[in-house]
Amino acid sequence: DAGVIQSPRHEVTEMGQEVTLRCKPISGHNSLFWYRQTMMRGLELLIYFNNNVPIDDSGMPEDRFSAKMPNASFSTLKIQPSEPRDSAVYFCASLRTGLSSGELFFGEGSRLTVL
Amino acid sequence: ELKVEQNPLFLSMQEGKNYTIYCNYSTTSDRLYWYRQDPGKSLESLFVLLSNGAVKQEGRLMASLDTKARLSTLHITAAVHDLSATYFCASPGVGGGADGLTFGKGTHLIIQP
Repeated sequence: DAGVIQSPRHEVTEMGQEVTLRCKPISGHNSLFWYRQTMMRGLELLIYFNNNVPIDDSGMPEDRFSAKMPNASFSTLKIQPSEPRDSAVYFCASLRTGLSSGELFFGEGSRLTVL
Repeated sequence: ELKVEQNPLFLSMQEGKNYTIYCNYSTTSDRLYWYRQDPGKSLESLFVLLSNGAVKQEGRLMASLDTKARLSTLHITAAVHDLSATYFCASPGVGGGADGLTFGKGTHLIIQP
């Protein structure tokens, strides 16, 4: 089975530009999570969806960040305008609720550098 | 707010030695997860501990969970260089995991020959 697929793997952009990160969860998984990883703050949950519906976006740092999940197999995380402090690795993860393990499966991450 | 604390955060050890990483969490939960991350890579699930007293072992790694003490341990036996990585524990908190996991800061483990 294919795992969680993220793109792009690396993105370098200039401050003020729009950035869009993409995620395809594992087929059959109905919850999707966006995490951000930095040295200073570790892994932070930004937002999660259940059955394509955003449930909790309290981790989204600012209004510059937005996320969508138009269908069960695709989600985007958008930053507009981007700032240097947004530089981080952004991970997407999915799980299938109802399974006893509750195990999260992570994508390879998108490393964002904002100059 | 759920807090997950790991210690130590950095650990340098020699091959062949034993060591334990500790994970404390602040909110009652009956499960705990351990992940491994290699530099520049994703998080790979190592252990899923689903009940009090759960113990799981794979190779030189053994994880255990004490839900009463809100403590999990990851024990490394006779360390080898290939185990060098960052290890994270994560707790689901009261949501049981459906609303995501809260991660510790990670333990950066270096195993030297």
